[in-house]
Amino acid sequence: GAGVSQSPSNKVTEKGKDVELRCDPISGHTALYWYRQRLGQGLEFLIYFQGNSAPDKSGLPSDRFSAERTGESVSTLTIQRTQQEDSAVYLCASSLAEGGGSLHFGNGTRLTVT
Amino acid sequence: AQSVTQLDSHVSVSEGTPVLLRCNYSSSYSPSLFWYVQHPNKGLQLLLKYTSAATLVKGINGFEAEFKKSETSFHLTKPSAHMSDAAEYFCVVSGAGGSQGNLIFGKGTKLSVKP
Repeated sequence: GAGVSQSPSNKVTEKGKDVELRCDPISGHTALYWYRQRLGQGLEFLIYFQGNSAPDKSGLPSDRFSAERTGESVSTLTIQRTQQEDSAVYLCASSLAEGGGSLHFGNGTRLTVT
Repeated sequence: AQSVTQLDSHVSVSEGTPVLLRCNYSSSYSPSLFWYVQHPNKGLQLLLKYTSAATLVKGINGFEAEFKKSETSFHLTKPSAHMSDAAEYFCVVSGAGGSQGNLIFGKGTKLSVKP
């Protein structure tokens, strides 16, 4: 596709379950970012990838959160044992270069933990 | 260390009047600066970017921003607001040596446009 694709667009899960969020970046984009946006709030940085490596994981809120990227393409963000405070929109973005390039955002995954 | 401050969390204007969204930055390096817009229930879209060329940058939808090094500012303006401009706007600073993928987002300014 032409843009960044995220799936699912909406996810409702029960507290304690694990969830996987997927991001398909624009082909050829080496940098990939994950952000969290709580209702009415700004963007909270989670992690970014340069290729398949994650130089900065400092934004991951706890060890329940992990992410990986393979083939310098698809990335998955996994949240284990979900809590209600994990409810948010998770946004993925990709760019040609780390930091200096313009970000292309997906429409996000809206996660609701009941 | 880099940082970015959006001075107003909420700005309200009437349709047809000018828009000013303020952003100040701090950077030890020559920064690149961006403005993004987020319409309700959408992802973010790049409005414009400054990368050390012309200090007055024109973007989409009639927006522009001026890089002022002496004031460390990158304010976003538009001469005449439209109802469709109602959205959240984020100022972003980028530069070598930073964390978070070298991108620091401001907390956002919500723009409301009254008819």
